[in-house]
Parts: sequence; structure tokens; C-alpha cells
Amino acid sequence: AQTVTQSQPEMSVQEAETVTLSCTYDTSENNYYLFWYKQPPSRQMILVIRQEAYKQQNATENRFSVNFQKAAKSFSLKISDSQLGDTAMYFCAFMILSNFGNEKLTFGTGTRLTIIP
Amino acid sequence: GAVVSQHPSWVICKSGTSVKIECRSLDFQATTMFWYRQFPKQSLMLMATSNEGSKATYEQGVEKDKFLINHASLTLSTLTVTSAHPEDSSFYICSARVARTSGFTDTQYFGPGTRLTVL
Repeated sequence: AQTVTQSQPEMSVQEAETVTLSCTYDTSENNYYLFWYKQPPSRQMILVIRQEAYKQQNATENRFSVNFQKAAKSFSLKISDSQLGDTAMYFCAFMILSNFGNEKLTFGTGTRLTIIP
Repeated sequence: GAVVSQHPSWVICKSGTSVKIECRSLDFQATTMFWYRQFPKQSLMLMATSNEGSKATYEQGVEKDKFLINHASLTLSTLTVTSAHPEDSSFYICSARVARTSGFTDTQYFGPGTRLTVL
């Protein structure tokens, strides 16, 4: 079974600063996706960024980037120039790729990030 | 693009009644939809995987007769909580998968969730 671990239950940073959220996972599979989802107070889950395991290049989406270390099974999220709207619960998630079409997401326990004005 | 809606956004019902929650993919076809349950300050727990035109696959420990799932079309899946009890009160979230033509899966997009309160 796959597991996803987020060791930081809560974090807070000043607005405009950079923050890194950690995530580790455990799997024996070789083909998979990794995701970071954001859940603001509205509770709408929003995709932040995703990474295909076969790609060595780290994914980047504007102020959000990841540090994907496949051998170490680590997938951290860096938020640069943090904004008040980044305040949310952040979930790391893992999905094995297959041809069967029923791939499931396995979520970590989440990190509650607060951006301080 | 890739918008998923849920209806209702919140519902209050009496113990013993049944409640139906709809999940719709608005601008894409979703061959697979997923239903999650989330307790306060906790992560999402997958309840079942729903494929269009076939029976849902339930996770271990989820009662299929209590949580009825119907995926009748490529844009609609429904979750019916039958004979609801206060312990069924929770936040229910659906997601829909945008499938690649190659057969490999792509990203899941989530609905806004439904808050169920059973009195």
C-alpha cells in the first residue's frame, strides 16, 4: 500500500516570504503522479501543481514549484512571494499510473499554512 | 475548464431519511468519478470509485448499501446516503477524472463539496 506523509501539521510565514512544505511517500511502483492540492476555507479543493514521476525536471507553476527527489521519495512544495490568498490547507497526493482507468489518489494528512499580513 | 459542480452545497435532514448528492462535470466528460468524505480538520477519505455504466467500487469499510452510487452518464454521478444517522454527518466531496486519450489517467478535479447534517 502507498502512504503519503506530511510531517508539518501547521506552518505560518509573513506575507511575501518563501515557504516550503514537505511531503514524503512510500511506494514500490515506478510510474506515478504526485500532486499538491490546496483547500482554502471555502473547502474547495484546488490543484496547485503536479509532477509525473518519469520527468526529472521539477514542475513549476508561477510562484509554486516542487523539489522532486525520486530516490528519496520526497516531493516538497515551495511557495515564493507568499500572498494572503495562499492561506489554506495543503495536501500532498500520490497516484499510481495504470491502464485500467481507476487510479486512486492517496492523500497526506495535510499542512495548514497561514500567511501573516 | 475542468469544472465540477455539486448539489446541494449543504443539506440538513432528519435521522432515517435518505439524501441524494449530485456531482456533475460541466465542461468535460468524466468516465470515472470519485466520492470522498472529509471530517473536520482531517484529510480526504476515499469512499468509492464510480465508472460510467458500471457498479461502483467501494473502499474497505464503506457500506455499499448505505452509500448508493449511480454513475448514469459521462457527466453525472450521484451519492445517496440511505437511512441517514447523525454519524453520517460530514463533508462529502466528489471528483472527476479527465482521461487522456492514451488510456493513462490525468488529474482529478474536485467539486465544491456538500455538507450533510443529520439531526
